[in-house]
Amino acid sequence: NAGVTQTPKFRVLKTGQSMTLLCAQDMNHEYMYWYRQDPGMGLRLIHYSVGEGTTAKGEVPDGYNVSRLKKQNFLLGLESAAPSQTSVYFCASSYRTGTVNTEAFFGQGTRLTVV
Amino acid sequence: GQQLNQSPQSMFIQEGEDVSMNCTSSSIFNTWLWYKQDPGEGPVLLIALYKAGELTSNGRLTAQFGITRKDSFLNISASIPSDVGIYFCAGQLQRSGGYQKVTFGTGTKLQVIP
Repeated sequence: NAGVTQTPKFRVLKTGQSMTLLCAQDMNHEYMYWYRQDPGMGLRLIHYSVGEGTTAKGEVPDGYNVSRLKKQNFLLGLESAAPSQTSVYFCASSYRTGTVNTEAFFGQGTRLTVV
Repeated sequence: GQQLNQSPQSMFIQEGEDVSMNCTSSSIFNTWLWYKQDPGEGPVLLIALYKAGELTSNGRLTAQFGITRKDSFLNISASIPSDVGIYFCAGQLQRSGGYQKVTFGTGTKLQVIP
């Protein structure tokens, strides 16, 4: 049982380039999330999804797009990378039991540097 | 966006010492979560709290859900080198139906001196 898997683990982009970060979970979770982690800022939510085919904006969505074509996958796209998007990106998933959202299960992170 | 106030931001302690950290919010939550992030890894859940006043332990870790529902505390007893990492609190207001936003603290970086 792999849990939440992110690819790639590291990437360097030039300003203006585009890329897609991949996230896959094998726990059949309904909810999936993309966060970015910056020093002193904690984890900030970029986008999330409450089910296949649905996505919604989080706190810091500008410059990113997402898609959830299959329940197990959540893709994060950078259309035109900027140095301000240098960060560590975490994907996470969770599920509902009754009226309670469970805790999030996180991937290992993708360290992205934009030069 | 809203961030939880987590303190201290960082701490150096000697192996064997006890550690305390806390998280405060201007708004109430009905769920508090504490995560630990090892270097180069994603956060992993340590303790979940669902009731005001609740005190829960997980080995050497003890966490409490504040009575006001606006704060939470995490204590680590008899620290060991593998306690090194960043500890995050997270608050959530659970309601029926749909997604409920989770707000993360800014983290407490713990370093243990052998």
